Amino acid sequence: GAVVSQHPSWVICKSGTSVKIECRSLDFQATTMFWYRQFPKQSLMLMATSNEGSKATYEQGVEKDKFLINHASLTLSTLTVTSAHPEDSSFYICSAIGRSNQPQHFGDGTRLSIL
Amino acid sequence: GESVGLHLPTLSVQEGDNSIINCAYSNSASDYFIWYKQESGKGPQFIIDIRSNMDKRQGQRVTVLLNKTVKHLSLQIAATQPGDSAVYFCAEILMDSSYKLIFGSGTRLLVRP
Repeated sequence: GAVVSQHPSWVICKSGTSVKIECRSLDFQATTMFWYRQFPKQSLMLMATSNEGSKATYEQGVEKDKFLINHASLTLSTLTVTSAHPEDSSFYICSAIGRSNQPQHFGDGTRLSIL
Repeated sequence: GESVGLHLPTLSVQEGDNSIINCAYSNSASDYFIWYKQESGKGPQFIIDIRSNMDKRQGQRVTVLLNKTVKHLSLQIAATQPGDSAVYFCAEILMDSSYKLIFGSGTRLLVRP
């Protein structure tokens, strides 16, 4: 079946550095990709929606200059957390849909820890 | 509106019993609902879905019930197994100006051997 792959699965870095997370659709063309953030024992919160070749649409309260999203191809979207701080530590999950919209396939997430 | 994350409630059941997990959704205009299972350290996994023009749908060992009057979803798992232990989220799809999947608050299911 369709698979969405995220890389890296876990990253630890110092405060102030920028971190890039990749999300790839492995066997289908992802017309739309979504980025979610999940804090411990909480639900997934939608951060932004990106369509291939266009700018991402950010949810209210999500800083677009802090969380840079690029969706340059139908199989790859990247999320860059710029100048990361400890409060950005979280589990970041991407998902993707193809031309038929459903079902939405999820990656296995990236655990980001900022020291 | 979107769900706000809260600490997860827990449902503890005996292996072999049936489990019922409930969810209240927020938008009466949502026309598609999905239940996801999330194991520790992993992304959500699709379980079953239901459209708003239905009130019940059955899968293998799982049944989803939809009550649009009170905006309530439930997931029933028959003969619960240890491998069912996970966090379960309902999600609603809003298709107004764009496609958007919004998660509910989630329930942790613990299966006692």
